[in-house]
Amino acid sequence: DIQMTQSPSSLSASVGDRVTITCRASQSITNHLNWYQQKPGKAPKVLIYAASSLQSGVPSRFSGSGSGTDFTLTISSLQPEDFATYYCQQSYGPPLTFGGGTRVEIK
Amino acid sequence: QVTLKESGPALVKPTQTLTLTCSFSGFSLNTSGMRVSWIRQPPGKALEWLARIDWDGDKFYSTSLKTRLTISKDTSKNQVVLTMTNMDPADTATYYCARTLDFWSGYYQYNWFDPWGQGTLVTVSS
Repeated sequence: DIQMTQSPSSLSASVGDRVTITCRASQSITNHLNWYQQKPGKAPKVLIYAASSLQSGVPSRFSGSGSGTDFTLTISSLQPEDFATYYCQQSYGPPLTFGGGTRVEIK
Repeated sequence: QVTLKESGPALVKPTQTLTLTCSFSGFSLNTSGMRVSWIRQPPGKALEWLARIDWDGDKFYSTSLKTRLTISKDTSKNQVVLTMTNMDPADTATYYCARTLDFWSGYYQYNWFDPWGQGTLVTVSS
């Protein structure tokens, strides 16, 4: 199975900060990589699909990049509603796999 | 509007079999390209994909859990059912179902989970 490794596992940031989360696959997944946001007690919501395509309705401050094994989710200017946990997920499979998550907390 | 909702027991005993139902509306699993997955999340932990069933009846399972899982569909009822045998306290989690959306770009097919159900918490305890 393809293993997905996210870093960092958590970070503290302030409103207005630029935030970058990385995700590494154990083998090439071309650009079959999705990003989700999950808030406490809620189901995840897709932000980015195919590594860099913004899901309809998602603010443009979110962006994704990368291909092969290394990927990045960037939030250009962190907003109060962005404090959440973010997961990457490879769709090169099945089997499908998620990263371990990155919790973005308020500094 | 596409919605999904999970249902099943909140509490199961160790060694029992868990049966979960995903009831959905706004799409049909008879339609080409439609797929439904089950994903779980233990309290405070990461997401774990479990299984997927496609419009054409194809089924896919987590490598580590495939001997314990069975996924099926009832297109007349707009439902997908997941059974997991030999439940253990380590299987305590919120279980989600989600539709898989497809997108073609050139030769490549991309898919992602959207939307998700609200999830149902299953606790395994004697």
